[in-house]
Amino acid sequence: SQTIHQWPATLVQPVGSPLSLECTVEGTSNPNLYWYRQAAGRGLQLLFYSVGIGQISSEVPQNLSASRPQDRQFILSSKKLLLSDSGFYLCAWEQLFSEQYFGPGTRLTVT
Amino acid sequence: LAKTTQPISMDSYEGQEVNITCSHNNIATNDYITWYQQFPSQGPRFIIQGYKTKVTNEVASLFIPADRKSSTLSLPRVSLSDTAVYYCLVGGGKGTGGFKTIFGAGTRLFVKA
Repeated sequence: SQTIHQWPATLVQPVGSPLSLECTVEGTSNPNLYWYRQAAGRGLQLLFYSVGIGQISSEVPQNLSASRPQDRQFILSSKKLLLSDSGFYLCAWEQLFSEQYFGPGTRLTVT
Repeated sequence: LAKTTQPISMDSYEGQEVNITCSHNNIATNDYITWYQQFPSQGPRFIIQGYKTKVTNEVASLFIPADRKSSTLSLPRVSLSDTAVYYCLVGGGKGTGGFKTIFGAGTRLFVKA
């Protein structure tokens, strides 16, 4: 069966510090991968999606970046965090452009 | 991508049937309609997907009229554990070559005892 992992589960970082969130998927190959951010009480905002290794599409201009170094690994990064980067970050995978399956999420607080 | 409109919130009681309607007037011919459920501090979970008429699975039914400009998620006999946010999405479904997702604010369902 397929499994999606995200870490860390929670993170508190100061403004201006770097960020690296990792997402890995098991049990599937060539998935589409997604990064979302959710502010408190709000819907999900699509940040990046990837249809293959090294292929990244950005949906929202910001100080975040994403990379896909391996087929089932998706990384979200920032060189310098802003207060507005706080939120709940979710990774999701999708096979054959069907429904998406979400990871447990990372709650990021920028102080 | 077609925009969706849902009620912000709904209240219900245990044992009742709940119907959440979503409007998507600009739905494209290739678009599917998908519903997700999200509990606090968790990622959304797929509930059901359909293209037209009616789709039913073990947890819900999805009703889609002929013009496909709206859809209704039906939850039979809700329980307290169905308290969650429900999202309606419209976009490419199986095999259409790409699915960029727009999650709106969703409908916050609160089930009371």
